[in-house]
Amino acid sequence: DAKTTQPPSMDCAEGRAANLPCNHSTISGNEYVYWYRQIHSQGPQYIIHGLKNNETNEMASLIITEDRKSSTLILPHATLRDTAVYYCIVSGGGADGLTFGKGTHLIIQP
Amino acid sequence: GAVVSQHPSWVICKSGTSVKIECRSLDFQATTMFWYRQFPKQSLMLMATSNEGSKATYEQGVEKDKFLINHASLTLSTLTVTSAHPEDSSFYICSARDSGTGPNQPQHFGDGTRLSIL
Repeated sequence: DAKTTQPPSMDCAEGRAANLPCNHSTISGNEYVYWYRQIHSQGPQYIIHGLKNNETNEMASLIITEDRKSSTLILPHATLRDTAVYYCIVSGGGADGLTFGKGTHLIIQP
Repeated sequence: GAVVSQHPSWVICKSGTSVKIECRSLDFQATTMFWYRQFPKQSLMLMATSNEGSKATYEQGVEKDKFLINHASLTLSTLTVTSAHPEDSSFYICSARDSGTGPNQPQHFGDGTRLSIL
């Protein structure tokens, strides 16, 4: 699986949009971009995934650049409960396990 | 939907004991499940891929005789840590993907098992 690069930490004010960047310059044509988050002492929670089109669900939006070398996860109205480590993972899916990097520790400030 | 249940959530036992952890997909079938381990302040590391009806595939450096995996049905995989020692203390997490959906659908994770060996 391709490697990803994320900033180690970010702060965001409660109620504002949180924009989390991810670089994946070595992504292959058949690999998807997945976002998960992990709140302390819990298992990772799936957020969203995409191949090349922008995606939106009830939790977040995913913006993937046209060359697919980077993406941004957007939490439109961050709350204190969104404080977590966010992982951007690139994977071809199927029977492959996921390779987790160090992620971004997002801290939502009141 | 897509709920993965892990049991127990927390276990403390003496050194030399074997511990079994269960991972169940509650509302979907999973041909493949995955086992991860997470040490404090570190990220998740894939230990092994559990395949229904066949042998598990272990990542490099993971001892297959120490971490026994059984995937006897499409909804249950178990991880047994044999003769556990303090260095095996960690947070063990399983995941599964719905076999009835496309191969790029996401994995869903259990809430993890915190194992402490005294």
